[in-house]
Amino acid sequence: KNEVEQSPQNLTAQEGEFITINCSYSVGISALHWLQQHPGGGIVSLFMLSSGKKKHGRLIATINIQEKHSSLHITASHPRDSAVYICAVNYGGATNKLIFGTGTLLAVQP
Amino acid sequence: SAVISQKPSRDICQRGTSLTIQCQVDSQVTMMFWYRQQPGQSLTLIATANQGSEATYESGFVIDKFPISRPNLTFSTLTVSNMSPEDSSIYLCSVAGGRGVYNEQFFGPGTRLTVL
Repeated sequence: KNEVEQSPQNLTAQEGEFITINCSYSVGISALHWLQQHPGGGIVSLFMLSSGKKKHGRLIATINIQEKHSSLHITASHPRDSAVYICAVNYGGATNKLIFGTGTLLAVQP
Repeated sequence: SAVISQKPSRDICQRGTSLTIQCQVDSQVTMMFWYRQQPGQSLTLIATANQGSEATYESGFVIDKFPISRPNLTFSTLTVSNMSPEDSSIYLCSVAGGRGVYNEQFFGPGTRLTVL
């Protein structure tokens, strides 16, 4: 069982829809990252958070430390949002090593 | 933020040969990592590249198979040795930015390796 679980694994949406991707982890963490990977393989860091909520443009990330759960929301989705979204966590200790979820493949159709 | 480049971007190699992947960062960074992403899988950490000392390998990865160099704070190489088709993956380097204990991570564009 992966320590970091994401759902759904695959998601197809129509342009303009509100999208939510979920991430659950098994033990207490120090920080959680949301990453975006495009078909060519390159990865972009979207958010790093350890509590509360962060917003950047149409993207919103929230985390509930007690419930060991984070969500990534995309408002007014667009075909260019189509990518794999990956959740990753730091489990603590003075290290930046990440444990990755399996990713959510998002396809936004026009 | 940090800008990271990798060379080559992709390669097709024969079984039994070795390939060295280069990672260049536009600023000095303390922590540099090498990841592997096998087809359809998420990322797995191979090792942490340490400047001036031997890399720290994760369970399941050994120096003989994946030798790593880190001659300075902006550059590292990963060699995939004696390749087999199972080594076909995307290999990514990343760096941790900032001075905090937990920092945002920046990733290179990846090297897509196919072993025949």
